Amino acid sequence: GAGVSQSPSNKVTEKGKDVELRCDPISGHTALYWYRQSLGQGLEFLIYFQGNSAPDKSGLPSDRFSAERTGGSVSTLTIQRTQQEDSAVYLCASSFVGITEAFFGQGTRLTVV
Amino acid sequence: KQEVTQIPAALSVPEGENLVLNCSFTDSAIYNLQWFRQDPGKGLTSLLLIQSSQREQTSGRLNASLDKSSGRSTLYIAASQPGDSATYLCAVSSGDSNYQLIWGAGTKLIIKP
Repeated sequence: GAGVSQSPSNKVTEKGKDVELRCDPISGHTALYWYRQSLGQGLEFLIYFQGNSAPDKSGLPSDRFSAERTGGSVSTLTIQRTQQEDSAVYLCASSFVGITEAFFGQGTRLTVV
Repeated sequence: KQEVTQIPAALSVPEGENLVLNCSFTDSAIYNLQWFRQDPGKGLTSLLLIQSSQREQTSGRLNASLDKSSGRSTLYIAASQPGDSATYLCAVSSGDSNYQLIWGAGTKLIIKP
């Protein structure tokens, strides 16, 4: 596609429910990143995928968070048993390789009530 | 551990003025530095990418400089317009995890008509 696409754009969920966030990167980009931006805070790295290599999951805040990338393209970030502190904007980015220019999607605003 | 600081946190100037946003980083061993803008409720838009071997990059009214030895980058905006109002973020790619962007907290810029 023309840009990085994320869905849904907004998600309100009840505490304890599971949510899935989707990212469709720019076609041909081998690197894909997930970041989280809490209100008034900077961006927090979550996870990185590069081609067929094992992902870097070092930024995932707890074992309730997981992500996968199918076929080297679309990625899904799953948050299980959501908590109120999970409320944030979740941003996805992609690039050709790990250290070139990164392009971001519009983000998914998650609100846990 | 790399840390990125942006000063000022907020800036309000009249339309037409030239202005400079500052970004500093603690570890000079970077691969690149990117400047982004973020509009309210939207994702991040990449403005300029400076590789570690470069001193500056220009795009239209924007000019970004990089001084690795002093750990500083500046974003110069010429002839500011109300449409430039946004939060400007800088991020560096460095260290062992060269694909992880380390982010500043941003400068919120308001251009008054």
